[in-house]
Amino acid sequence: DVKVTQSSRYLVKRTGEKVFLECVQDMDHENMFWYRQDPGLGLRLIYFSYDVKMKEKGDIPEGYSVSREKKERFSLILESASTNQTSMYLCASSSADNIQYFGAGTRLSVL
Amino acid sequence: DQQVKQNSPSLSVQEGRISILNCDYTNSMFDYFLWYKKYPAEGPTFLISISSIKDKNEDGRFTVFLNKSAKHLSLHIVPSQPGDSAVYFCAAPNSGGSNYKLTFGKGTLLTVNP
Repeated sequence: DVKVTQSSRYLVKRTGEKVFLECVQDMDHENMFWYRQDPGLGLRLIYFSYDVKMKEKGDIPEGYSVSREKKERFSLILESASTNQTSMYLCASSSADNIQYFGAGTRLSVL
Repeated sequence: DQQVKQNSPSLSVQEGRISILNCDYTNSMFDYFLWYKKYPAEGPTFLISISSIKDKNEDGRFTVFLNKSAKHLSLHIVPSQPGDSAVYFCAAPNSGGSNYKLTFGKGTLLTVNP
């Protein structure tokens, strides 16, 4: 069964903190993605990776960076968290068929 | 510029009736479409897809229709059940160089009333 695991379901951080969100998939997928979901805005792509150590900016990369050192793991980094980064963060992975499989999400609150 | 549009933010139907969720797209290069379902506090789950070489794809209670000339697709749920209450997103693979990216609509919240 397909599995994408996000390390935390809920996180509370303070403004200015460095935040790491981790995502692991067990399907040997080449592609991995980070989205944020906000009310009325749908799913917005932050960054994606199509191979180890490869990354591309999505639609809203500002304030974020990513790391993909191993095929199964894709990390999202908030270098200095701000209150406008309070959101639901979703990780996904896919193979050549373009069907993305999502993790359960991390609800991040930045105070 | 929204290439995939879901113009109805919400839809309410009675249990047992048909739910019709609509999606319009602007990019005629899109050749494959997906529907996802999302419950609160969970990640989206893949529901059904359709290739542009077809005009209909059916999976149990769920059917997706594609009208290429109108650049319109719809998801029909028959009969609707309270457990179908969720946000539904339509999506299409990016027609540019990175065709593994998906462009999502903003979603439609479906509420099925018992």
